[in-house]
Amino acid sequence: DTAVSQTPKYLVTQMGNDKSIKCEQNLGHDTMYWYKQDSKKFLKIMFSYNNKELIINETVPNRFSPKSPDKAHLNLHINSLELGDSAVYFCASGFQGGPYEQYFGPGTRLTVT
Amino acid sequence: GDSVTQMEGPVTLSEEAFLTINCTYTATGYPSLFWYVQYPGEGLQLLLKATKADDKGSNKGFEATYRKETTSFHLEKGSVQVSDSAVYFCALSTNTGNQFYFGTGTSLTVIP
Repeated sequence: DTAVSQTPKYLVTQMGNDKSIKCEQNLGHDTMYWYKQDSKKFLKIMFSYNNKELIINETVPNRFSPKSPDKAHLNLHINSLELGDSAVYFCASGFQGGPYEQYFGPGTRLTVT
Repeated sequence: GDSVTQMEGPVTLSEEAFLTINCTYTATGYPSLFWYVQYPGEGLQLLLKATKADDKGSNKGFEATYRKETTSFHLEKGSVQVSDSAVYFCALSTNTGNQFYFGTGTSLTVIP
């Protein structure tokens, strides 16, 4: 069974469009994350939700808006896509507090043309 | 603030060579330390972890020891295989676990 799943796996779109990426975890974790990985493999945290409450909101353009309908889902909506948004976006989940690892989804490769 | 510094790559080794990837950290309190591996086209997978000083994490022939005195968590493997070719990330988790801090990743290529 898939632990952390993301859809779609690939997303190709034009500048100016709006798109969403969905994430679901079936591990019973209370915290979910969005990361952006650039072409040099650098991993940057964007957002984190704990029990549907936003707890980490790094400096990202406000064109990016996360939404967590429940603690098993965390979606990422991106408005007015730009070329620089092209990257791989990873969802992850874990337990807040204590020495717990994060579990990552397979990633969504976003290409903006 | 909390951070992880990881040796830069890329690293290229011949099969059966010894691998070391250096990782040092800065943290207040007593963090937990992790190594993740990312195979091409995939997400990150936990490779091993250590949650307190002098703990040794191990998995698939890889080892790392949590050294508080040198604030290090170096990854080692005695004999690498072609299938170990991947990007390796060192990471730490704070006491509260609110956030992970990842290193910049080290790309490893193992040639036959």
